[in-house]
Amino acid sequence: QKEVEQNSGPLSVPEGAIASLNCTYSDRGSQSFFWYRQYSGKSPELIMSIYSNGDKEDGRFTAQLNKASQYVSLLIRDSQPSDSATYLCAVNPGGGSYIPTFGRGTSLIVHP
Amino acid sequence: AAGVIQSPRHLIKEKRETATLKCYPIPRHDTVYWYQQGPGQDPQFLISFYEKMQSDKGSIPDRFSAQQFSDYHSELNMSSLELGDSALYFCASSSGHSNQPQHFGDGTRLSIL
Repeated sequence: QKEVEQNSGPLSVPEGAIASLNCTYSDRGSQSFFWYRQYSGKSPELIMSIYSNGDKEDGRFTAQLNKASQYVSLLIRDSQPSDSATYLCAVNPGGGSYIPTFGRGTSLIVHP
Repeated sequence: AAGVIQSPRHLIKEKRETATLKCYPIPRHDTVYWYQQGPGQDPQFLISFYEKMQSDKGSIPDRFSAQQFSDYHSELNMSSLELGDSALYFCASSSGHSNQPQHFGDGTRLSIL
């Protein structure tokens, strides 16, 4: 069974700090990787997509992918209380399937 | 920018009733996905459609059915509702049956009494 693992948290960081969220996956053939932010009772909101090894930056967010080690991470710089949410890692498997496997999510709390 | 539109936002039903959830994808998106999310759970994939044909099937109960229409909107039909069907139901859309990311609607909160 293809798995996506995330630490459920909560991860608590002070305002202005860097939050680091990690995700590991089991399927070596995975092709695309996504980070979603989900506030309680709301829908997942796409934050980042990453497809190749290395870093991808978008504003305060940086996604890092290491296919050899099968992990993908999300860094949030200058964390704000409004970043407090659950962050879902989603991984598209290879082999022609485009249905992502979601992790259970990491709860992030940014305290003032 | 236009997003995925779902209706209704909230729905209350009793056991053994039926429900229909609707989803209007982002314009020019041809692929629609349905998910069920219980409290504290990750989204569970139910079913997807690409170009009006079922493309993948997940953990959708036999009591549920879905289709995608010529205008690409999709409907999830749920019958013989059970208490355990109470959940958030999300629709997502993407462009093409590909590695493009999915964009989620605001969801329908279904409560079964």
